[in-house]
Amino acid sequence: GAVVSQHPSRVICKSGTSVKIECRSLDFQATTMFWYRQFPKKSLMLMATSNEGSKATYEQGVEKDKFLINHASLTLSTLTVTSAHPEDSSFYICSALRITGQGGGNQPQHFGDGTRLSIL
Amino acid sequence: KQEVTQIPAALSVPEGENLVLNCSFTDSAIYNLQWFRQDPGKGLTSLLLIQSSQREQTSGRLNASLDKSSGRSTLYIAASQPGDSATYLCAVRSFGNEKLTFGTGTRLTIIP
Repeated sequence: GAVVSQHPSRVICKSGTSVKIECRSLDFQATTMFWYRQFPKKSLMLMATSNEGSKATYEQGVEKDKFLINHASLTLSTLTVTSAHPEDSSFYICSALRITGQGGGNQPQHFGDGTRLSIL
Repeated sequence: KQEVTQIPAALSVPEGENLVLNCSFTDSAIYNLQWFRQDPGKGLTSLLLIQSSQREQTSGRLNASLDKSSGRSTLYIAASQPGDSATYLCAVRSFGNEKLTFGTGTRLTIIP
């Protein structure tokens, strides 16, 4: 159980294009999802926390108008990279926290397989 | 602010050897610590999760320990195999926070 599906797995597009990435929890509900960015040979950096039915919380230095996050349901969050440029090329990974009804502190995050974004 | 460091950054060992990966964190007020594996160009695979009240967790050839007071965790891999080659990441979840803070990773290569 606890499968997170991320789509698409790879995107190659021209500069100026907007790209939408989907993150779905397939067999559980998630009030909270997270979006990470990973540069080559580097660790994951949290971009934003996505909460169902409310605005996302962005980390310092992340442009909210550039990286639009929508968490419209308990199983889906989307990240849209608007007017993408070559410097936005990266590996983007989402994760989801399962709703358990218990204290959330001990629950693991479940990760998607990532999206490789390449802007030409 | 929580900071997580992993040493070494890269490690190469012959097949069959036992090895230890290290993870240290600066703030001991944590809910849990997780070890992940990442293959090149892929997402994360969760290996082990240790709650703050636990000292170790085991899964097959993997054993993770946690010393919260000193801010350290180790991942022990027994009888290493070429298929163990990957980048290993540790991540901590701090109190009052749903976010994970990731370490810098250790790139492991098992030599056949």
